[in-house]
Amino acid sequence: DTGVSQDPRHKITKRGQNVTFRCDPISEHNRLYWYRQTLGQGPEFLTYFQNEAQLEKSRLLSDRFSAERPKGSFSTLEIQRTEQGDSAMYLCASSLDNSYEQYFGPGTRLTVT
Amino acid sequence: GEDVEQSLFLSVREGDSSVINCTYTDSSSTYLYWYKQEPGAGLQLLTYIFSNMDMKQDQRLTVLLNKKDKHLSLRIADTQTGDSAIYFCAESLNTGGFKTIFGAGTRLFVKA
Repeated sequence: DTGVSQDPRHKITKRGQNVTFRCDPISEHNRLYWYRQTLGQGPEFLTYFQNEAQLEKSRLLSDRFSAERPKGSFSTLEIQRTEQGDSAMYLCASSLDNSYEQYFGPGTRLTVT
Repeated sequence: GEDVEQSLFLSVREGDSSVINCTYTDSSSTYLYWYKQEPGAGLQLLTYIFSNMDMKQDQRLTVLLNKKDKHLSLRIADTQTGDSAIYFCAESLNTGGFKTIFGAGTRLFVKA
């Protein structure tokens, strides 16, 4: 396994459009996390899944954001009606159950024009 | 509340030791971490310390935890130019899901 992968690596979209990102975790990892990182800041927690169940969501995750992990493997993060403030790097991480160690993917950089 | 703070920049000469400091606010932290991020690369877990430990050493890295003052530090011995990167302090909260709170990062410059 080559680690956590994310697709696309870069996305440029116009304000008001919808975008969807995909994350493929390390295959045996039950937990999957989404973070957002803006320039000059550390990653901010958005949400996490244990298998297909979404167990926690940050208040940063507004109604325009939705995340799914339908079969407990890959996950998607959708942003509807994008705003310029959504421009950021979206990071995915995965881990084994009850493990402190999260493995991060390379991220998807979103630019909203 | 959940907050992790660290200084933004540190500049050292090659061969010197670097010390990056961090403070956190949540006393229910279970693990504290140091991550490294190089330009264009993902986050790499460098080292971690469990909240009931005071110190952890891993080759050139030494982590010190003062739980009373909620202060964490990372010392890099014999700093090399390849150590130039952004270093993030982070804590995992005792929520069962290892939700991780990150600081804003310290940019380490290593001068040859």
